[in-house]
Amino acid sequence: GDSVTQMEGPVTLSEEAFLTINCTYTATGYPSLFWYVQYPGEGLQLLLKATKADDKGSNKGFEATYRKETTSFHLEKGSVQVSDSAVYFCALWDNDYKLSFGAGTTVTVRA
Amino acid sequence: DTEVTQTPKHLVMGMTNKKSLKCEQHMGHRAMYWYKQKAKKPPELMFVYSYEKLSINESVPSRFSPECPNSSLLNLHLHALQPEDSALYLCASSHGGGGSNQPQHFGDGTRLSIL
Repeated sequence: GDSVTQMEGPVTLSEEAFLTINCTYTATGYPSLFWYVQYPGEGLQLLLKATKADDKGSNKGFEATYRKETTSFHLEKGSVQVSDSAVYFCALWDNDYKLSFGAGTTVTVRA
Repeated sequence: DTEVTQTPKHLVMGMTNKKSLKCEQHMGHRAMYWYKQKAKKPPELMFVYSYEKLSINESVPSRFSPECPNSSLLNLHLHALQPEDSALYLCASSHGGGGSNQPQHFGDGTRLSIL
């Protein structure tokens, strides 16, 4: 079935560093792709989404581009802040009409 | 501020107790979901309601019983739970029915501990 593979963490960065979290997918078609973020003690929040090839999702300085040729949806941010410390989940809308999540990547940003 | 409200935030119960988790949304969403999340793991889908009808049950044990009284409310009734059921229970909702690829909006969850 459709699935996502996400870069394992944890990732520890200094403030203002560049962040990349890799996500690749396996799917029979062209599923919608999402990045969700979970801050400590909270539920998941939608960070950004893309619904077709070459779409770029962006929010709060984060970006991800739907790459059909590499089946990827990598998350990037140019300058992270301490407040970006969270768990990040890549997800796709699979052919069973469900969200399929990656394993999650824990990101810690040090001041 | 989350637009999906879950109560209670924390719940401790014994294995013989009966309790309920509640979820409410007023965004006009017609699909609502229950997920279970263990520490450091992604959420696992349990149930999906689409237009107030149960559309997906991911082979969840019968000690978990969902209920959707109306389009804004979703309950999860708990009975005779096991210690391994201790987890964060997340509710989510989305536009359209359960088959739609619209983004899901999550509540902050109920942290459940089974003694």
